[in-house]
Amino acid sequence: DQQVKQNSPSLSVQEGRISILNCDYTNSMFDYFLWYKKYPAEGPTFLISISSIKDKNEDGRFTVFLNKSAKHLSLHIVPSQPGDSAVYFCAAFFQGGSEKLVFGKGTKLTVNP
Amino acid sequence: GAVVSQHPSRVICKSGTSVKIECRSLDFQATTMFWYRQFPKQSLMLMATSNEGSKATYEQGVEKDKFLINHASLTLSTLTVTSAHPEDSSFYICSATLTRISGNEQFFGPGTRLTVL
Repeated sequence: DQQVKQNSPSLSVQEGRISILNCDYTNSMFDYFLWYKKYPAEGPTFLISISSIKDKNEDGRFTVFLNKSAKHLSLHIVPSQPGDSAVYFCAAFFQGGSEKLVFGKGTKLTVNP
Repeated sequence: GAVVSQHPSRVICKSGTSVKIECRSLDFQATTMFWYRQFPKQSLMLMATSNEGSKATYEQGVEKDKFLINHASLTLSTLTVTSAHPEDSSFYICSATLTRISGNEQFFGPGTRLTVL
């Protein structure tokens, strides 16, 4: 039973264009969401997060949108750069709980020069 | 920012041997650390929650006698894979929780690639 789903295993975009990575969740208890970027054979690095009390959070080229009614969030990267090529994981947890992160399966983003 | 290290970064061992992986929070104390495992093309799966000074809490389906976790200090947690077999080959990642007034944040180690021959 996947509580966090990233239905697109891969995404390819041209440099300079927008990359949109999607994530859906099923557990309505989740109230904090995070995006991590991961290169092969390395640990994930934190990118951006959003609390359920917000619907948008922006940090430079990265913006995360949260639609609570649809239980959907997305990560927008604009403009995309070749160095953004990596696997992006969506994660969620319940702040009042044990802080156990639940991860999606990841989306491999390739930004072509 | 907070740094979490793991040692070794990669290890190759023979079937039946035990392997210890260390996870350290370098510039902060972490009462809670987490151990994850990632199979190729799959998500990070939480294996266990490591609490300083107490027994680890294992996720369903994770054998506690096979994956021994010791959180001996506020900056060190170890995962020992006992009697390793080829199916234990995987990428193991730890994370440590930094407690802030504004809220807690998890920081991940760089991971350890275990290959069991």
